[in-house]
Amino acid sequence: DTEVTQTPKHLVMGMTNKKSLKCEQHMGHRAMYWYKQKAKKPPELMFVYSYEKLSINESVPSRFSPECPNSSLLNLHLHALQPEDSALYLCASSQIVGQGSGYTFGSGTRLTVV
Amino acid sequence: AQSVTQPDIHITVSEGASLELRCNYSYGATPYLFWYVQSPGQGLQLLLKYFSGDTLVQGIKGFEAEFKRSQSSFNLRKPSVHWSDAAEYFCAVQQNTGFQKLVFGTGTRLLVSP
Repeated sequence: DTEVTQTPKHLVMGMTNKKSLKCEQHMGHRAMYWYKQKAKKPPELMFVYSYEKLSINESVPSRFSPECPNSSLLNLHLHALQPEDSALYLCASSQIVGQGSGYTFGSGTRLTVV
Repeated sequence: AQSVTQPDIHITVSEGASLELRCNYSYGATPYLFWYVQSPGQGLQLLLKYFSGDTLVQGIKGFEAEFKRSQSSFNLRKPSVHWSDAAEYFCAVQQNTGFQKLVFGTGTRLLVSP
């Protein structure tokens, strides 16, 4: 298995809703990442998990809450989002944090906040 | 701070013609270098990567890239473009010591004309 699987593929949520994005990989990668990508822009790093521990939080608002239950799973919990949070949310994984191991990306969750 | 420049926002190439996408980076030492491709609404797929050694790197889908230290460049090439190559292409760099996030260029949109 050489894939990163993200669910759901599309999500529409109201500003008062609570939802979660899920990411799964079975490549034995020990680093996992959340990126946010707005239209016509490059991906921007949000969070990094290394060995199931949060290593980097790129000053992301607290309405985004990441969770890494085990080495294969990464969740992003969403609460009280704003319309400007609408974007493609990408999950990625890599063998070792840093060291140029290359990232494998999922196909993303297209989030629309109404 | 490291940065990546992709000077061409859009490029149009005729099908069957050759392609070169430019990428320049700014960093004190040679970082790890990557090219990713993204089809509309999809995640990012790794085309190729450079860590060290041979400066001409072969990737998937017939792409190659050449690292030129003197020019701080890592240009992507393909000898004959197919219509299915139309997509967004991102150059990315990662520091080769410790952990550093993957930094993306702004992307180049490739259009393929009949």
